[in-house]
Amino acid sequence: DTAVSQTPKYLVTQMGNDKSIKCEQNLGHDTMYWYKQDSKKFLKIMFSYNNKELIINETVPNRFSPKSPDKAHLNLHINSLELGDSAVYFCASSQEGVLSSPLHFGNGTRLTVT
Amino acid sequence: SQQGEEDPQALSIQEGENATMNCSYKTSINNLQWYRQNSGRGLVHLILIRSNEREKHSGRLRVTLDTSKKSSSLLITASRAADTASYFCATDYGGSGNQFYFGTGTSLTVIP
Repeated sequence: DTAVSQTPKYLVTQMGNDKSIKCEQNLGHDTMYWYKQDSKKFLKIMFSYNNKELIINETVPNRFSPKSPDKAHLNLHINSLELGDSAVYFCASSQEGVLSSPLHFGNGTRLTVT
Repeated sequence: SQQGEEDPQALSIQEGENATMNCSYKTSINNLQWYRQNSGRGLVHLILIRSNEREKHSGRLRVTLDTSKKSSSLLITASRAADTASYFCATDYGGSGNQFYFGTGTSLTVIP
């Protein structure tokens, strides 16, 4: 079974729309993340979240918001999509309390904004 | 920023040869990790080396860390076509949190 799964795999939408990407992990991890990978493969952290703390990368526009219904899920909601939002978005998880424990990634969601 | 940088950006070798990739970073770290990304997939953790370690092995992988130079290298020995992927180093924030900053990656092509 996939440890970190995200849906959809592909998302094509128009500028100005609002969309969500879902992420679920079955590893029992306490911390989840969202990363953005651009066309040059640069991977940038957007958020890290556990049941105690949300850490937001200060460069992330407030159009992006993580929503966590429970510790196994961290969804990414994006308002008023822009062309520059086109990228691959990765969800990941790790075990809290274990310093620098490895990240487990989903297979990504390729977002194309037209 | 804490972002790491891999070198070279792209590497092409023949099957059976060794592949060496380098990573440089800017500030102090607790540890450094290497990840692999196959085309169209998520990143997969390969190996972690702590700041007080100088070398670590895992199968055909050998990682070195030089904290004085703020650099690390990943050596893949006896490469195989299946090793074709992008390889990323990731450094932690150096604090108590579990924040990771990734480099720009090295794209490795192993020619059969």
